[in-house]
Amino acid sequence: GENVEQHPSTLSVQEGDSAVIKCTYSDSASNYFPWYKQELGKGPQLIIDIRSNVGEKKDQRIAVTLNKTAKHFSLHITETQPEDSAVYFCAAAPQGNLIFGKGTKLSVKP
Amino acid sequence: GAGVSQSPSNKVTEKGKDVELRCDPISGHTALYWYRQSLGQGLEFLIYFQGNSAPDKSGLPSDRFSAERTGGSVSTLTIQRTQQEDSAVYLCASSTRTAGSEAFFGQGTRLTVV
Repeated sequence: GENVEQHPSTLSVQEGDSAVIKCTYSDSASNYFPWYKQELGKGPQLIIDIRSNVGEKKDQRIAVTLNKTAKHFSLHITETQPEDSAVYFCAAAPQGNLIFGKGTKLSVKP
Repeated sequence: GAGVSQSPSNKVTEKGKDVELRCDPISGHTALYWYRQSLGQGLEFLIYFQGNSAPDKSGLPSDRFSAERTGGSVSTLTIQRTQQEDSAVYLCASSTRTAGSEAFFGQGTRLTVV
């Protein structure tokens, strides 16, 4: 089955700096790659997603890149703010299911 | 309601007892997922329902775990003979179609086995 690896597990940045989280997947059939943000005590919420026919997607300060050949995708957050502090999860979707990475705890220091 | 609803929000049970966790997906969503999240850990896939297709049960950790989805809507996750290692937050999510669409999560059920 699909296996998603996510790095780093924790990331601390200064406010205004950029943050990058990387994921790899194993199943070449996966064609949908969402990123979720989970705040304390809440369920995860989608922040951006990318499909396999696209190499990059941007939404304001957030961007995601996908390299299908290498089976890896990354989340980029620019101009980080304290409210970006949360746990971020990547996921891959083989045949409709959603398999998640283990998460990255992002801390943005004011 | 507009979102995915899970009940109860918290459940404390004694070791060896059975528990049932309920998920009400967003109306019209054909896909439903269950995940387990242990303290400070990632989202462990348990089971996936899509329409009338046979569910993907490959993530269920043991035969003590089972899930049903009645009428293509409400789902119940049952854990029999609970053990302390079953303590976790159980999250349910739903989405509109097979693949490539946003999954909306509920707030989860926090299960504590004492």
